Amino acid sequence: SAVISQKPSRDICQRGTSLTIQCQVDSQVTMMFWYRQQPGQSLTLIATANQGSEATYESGFVIDKFPISRPNLTFSTLTVSNMSPEDSSIYLCSVEQAYGYTFGSGTRLTVV
Amino acid sequence: ELKVEQNPLFLSMQEGKNYTIYCNYSTTSDRLYWYRQDPGKSLESLFVLLSNGAVKQEGRLMASLDTKARLSTLHITAAVHDLSATYFCAVPHPVGYASGTYKYIFGTGTRLKVLA
Repeated sequence: SAVISQKPSRDICQRGTSLTIQCQVDSQVTMMFWYRQQPGQSLTLIATANQGSEATYESGFVIDKFPISRPNLTFSTLTVSNMSPEDSSIYLCSVEQAYGYTFGSGTRLTVV
Repeated sequence: ELKVEQNPLFLSMQEGKNYTIYCNYSTTSDRLYWYRQDPGKSLESLFVLLSNGAVKQEGRLMASLDTKARLSTLHITAAVHDLSATYFCAVPHPVGYASGTYKYIFGTGTRLKVLA
């Protein structure tokens, strides 16, 4: 199965700033998925990133707040913009494989 | 809109006991996935259930799928402390029309604590 390198693994950021999270996959994949997991909660899909086109955002998530890049078939970034404490979460990227999703190791973000 | 619900949300059980976690989903799907998450960690795939009646077993865990009832179960046999984690089911939902790609909708999660 694919191996996903996600970084940073954690960060503490000041409110009003932005953080860019990177995911590198060791094989080419069509779609990459970005999820948010708020403390003690389940995973919520932020957006689906397809190479060469704009990401598709789920209800409640907008491009200005969570811009996504997908420059090639092995890489994607998610930026959390103008952060507030409510953005403190774990952010996970994932790819679909033949037998389900494979997840990156996650980015634990704390906004102070 | 696809909804995926799990129960119980929290489960505290003694070592050696048996218990079942339930996952209900609201729309048709012939596949379902179970994941485990340890505190502060990412998700680890446990089971892939690809058809109605599918049953998979790994150690003390057994998962099954009933697509007609839109129900999956994760059964724990003779629990041990190492099984303490949060368990999620996930149901695939098509991305776009006829794209062949699926986004996963996750259940609410069941936080399991096995007491020694």
